[in-house]
Amino acid sequence: DIQMTQSPSSLSASVGDRVTITCRASQSISSHLNWYQQKPGKAPKLLIYAASSLQSGVPSRFSGSGSGTDFTLTISSLQPEDFATYYCQQSDSTPFTFGPGTKVDIK
Amino acid sequence: QLQLQESGSGLVKPSQTLSLTCAVSGGSISSGGYSWSWIRQPPGKGLEWIGYIYHSGSTYYNPSLKSRLTISVDRSKNQFSLKLSSVTAADTAVYYCATRISAAGSNWFDPWGQGTLVTVSS
Repeated sequence: DIQMTQSPSSLSASVGDRVTITCRASQSISSHLNWYQQKPGKAPKLLIYAASSLQSGVPSRFSGSGSGTDFTLTISSLQPEDFATYYCQQSDSTPFTFGPGTKVDIK
Repeated sequence: QLQLQESGSGLVKPSQTLSLTCAVSGGSISSGGYSWSWIRQPPGKGLEWIGYIYHSGSTYYNPSLKSRLTISVDRSKNQFSLKLSSVTAADTAVYYCATRISAAGSNWFDPWGQGTLVTVSS
């Protein structure tokens, strides 16, 4: 199985901050990497697919980059509605696996 | 706009079978480029992919659950189902159904159902 790690596991930030979350795969997954946002009590929501493609309806302050084993999710200017947990997920091979999550909360 | 809705028993006794159904609306379960997935999340923990099925009935299961797992599709009702046998407390989780979209050489899960909590307890 491909193992996914994320760093940091949590972070505190202020509205307007630039936030960067890193995801690493245990082996190369090309660009087969997706990012999801989950708020408490809600289902995950797709933000970025194929490493860097912005899902329709997702604000442009979200962006993704990377390929191979190292990936990044960036929020250019954190908004109040962005406080949530973020998960990466590899879709290169089954079993599909998720990172452990990064919780973004208010500083 | 696809919408998915899970239903099923919220409480299952240990050693019994967990059964859930996901109703698909806003589109056909037979649409090309889609497959139909189950994902779970134990309380306070991360996400685990369970498996997916194509409208043809072809399935892909997580090896960690394969011996206990059956995913099936009912095209006439536009829904798909999950059965997990011999459950233990470790199977307690919020279970989500989701559409797996395959396009441009990649794939992702979108949209997701709202999720349903299944508790395994006597």
